[in-house]
Amino acid sequence: GQQVMQIPQYQHVQEGEDFTTYCNSSTTLSNIQWYKQRPGGHPVFLIQLVKSGEVKKQKRLTFQFGEAKKNSSLHITATQTTDVGTYFCAGQGSGYALNFGKGTSLLVTP
Amino acid sequence: NAGVTQTPKFQVLKTGQSMTLQCAQDMNHNSMYWYRQDPGMGLRLIYYSASEGTTDKGEVPNGYNVSRLNKREFSLRLESAAPSQTSVYFCASSGAGGTGELFFGEGSRLTVL
Repeated sequence: GQQVMQIPQYQHVQEGEDFTTYCNSSTTLSNIQWYKQRPGGHPVFLIQLVKSGEVKKQKRLTFQFGEAKKNSSLHITATQTTDVGTYFCAGQGSGYALNFGKGTSLLVTP
Repeated sequence: NAGVTQTPKFQVLKTGQSMTLQCAQDMNHNSMYWYRQDPGMGLRLIYYSASEGTTDKGEVPNGYNVSRLNKREFSLRLESAAPSQTSVYFCASSGAGGTGELFFGEGSRLTVL
């Protein structure tokens, strides 16, 4: 079945440093979504990417979808303490439901 | 704006006891989902309901049953709880079939002793 792998599992940065998390699928995806979960909270939708090679930006966050639609990345420029949390990618292949990666936990120290 | 509401938020069970997690959404969404989240494992799909009247197994359905009571409500039942079912359970809904944004409830933390 479809698997979505996400790396790294953890990342600890100093405030102001950049951060990137990567997501790879074993199969071609129809779309990929990104979610953020604050400690003790629930996942909250950030964005959906559908097109091959798509790049979307939300302020300091940049999301990319690979040309082959098998990989994606989330890059945060100049991290802030408010960026702390776990970032999940979730891919949809030929099946109905999303398959989530295991997430990357980001810790930002001032 | 309630969104997705789950009850209870916390529950402690003894092995072998049964319980039902309730979920309701007020966004008129067709699709609803139950996920479990364990440390280091991400979110794993237990069951989903693409529309009222249908339910399907996800990645980890064993030990669980679901009921799509109506368009708003989707419940998850543990018939005989086991310690391996200790987890945080999230209900989610989506309005765009299986392709759209998921809206999650706040989660239900279940401990089975």
